[in-house]
Amino acid sequence: EPEVTQTPSHQVTQMGQEVILRCVPISNHLYFYWYRQILGQKVEFLVSFYNNEISEKSEIFDDQFSVERPDGSNFTLKIRSTKLEDSAMYFCASSELGTAIFGSGTQLSVL
Amino acid sequence: AQTVTQSQPEMSVQEAETVTLSCTYDTSESDYYLFWYKQPPSRQMILVIRQEAYKQQNATENRFSVNFQKAAKSFSLKISDSQLGDAAMYFCAHSGSARQLTFGSGTQLTVLP
Repeated sequence: EPEVTQTPSHQVTQMGQEVILRCVPISNHLYFYWYRQILGQKVEFLVSFYNNEISEKSEIFDDQFSVERPDGSNFTLKIRSTKLEDSAMYFCASSELGTAIFGSGTQLSVL
Repeated sequence: AQTVTQSQPEMSVQEAETVTLSCTYDTSESDYYLFWYKQPPSRQMILVIRQEAYKQQNATENRFSVNFQKAAKSFSLKISDSQLGDAAMYFCAHSGSARQLTFGSGTQLTVLP
């Protein structure tokens, strides 16, 4: 069964450092998303991406965040200068006809 | 803006019994999708079931079924013959024309042996 792949599974970084989270969406999907989940809280939408551009973004997705599809398969989330409050599980998802399939997540810890 | 409300932070059920998890939502759109996702301790988000708003028939997937009441904006999940592996956090979610998901706050389900 097709799946969304995320790497790394865990990332530890120092406050102020840049991190890049990577995702390989399902190959025939057209819509890509990033969500985050702070421990014990609900899953929150960050950004959606379609046709090589951002289609929607939330208030959380400020200038510190960026997304890119550098080639035909990868989809990345960059956090430019991490803060303590960026510590969370980050999920990538992709969809074709309305049903989002999630990757297994990257747990980001900012020290 | 869409909102999704899960009013039961925790639920428990005896193994082999049936449990119903509640969800209400608010949207101004007429065409949308509703979902239940399961999040076990591994924190992976696993799709349990999906309902298209234009379909009157309630979705069913094996032991999982929904009660979709469009006028009441209610979308409950029924788990029949509960198993120990069903223990997890369950999130209700809505997706409209903008396609991204809006999640509820979750219901932690415990299955008692």
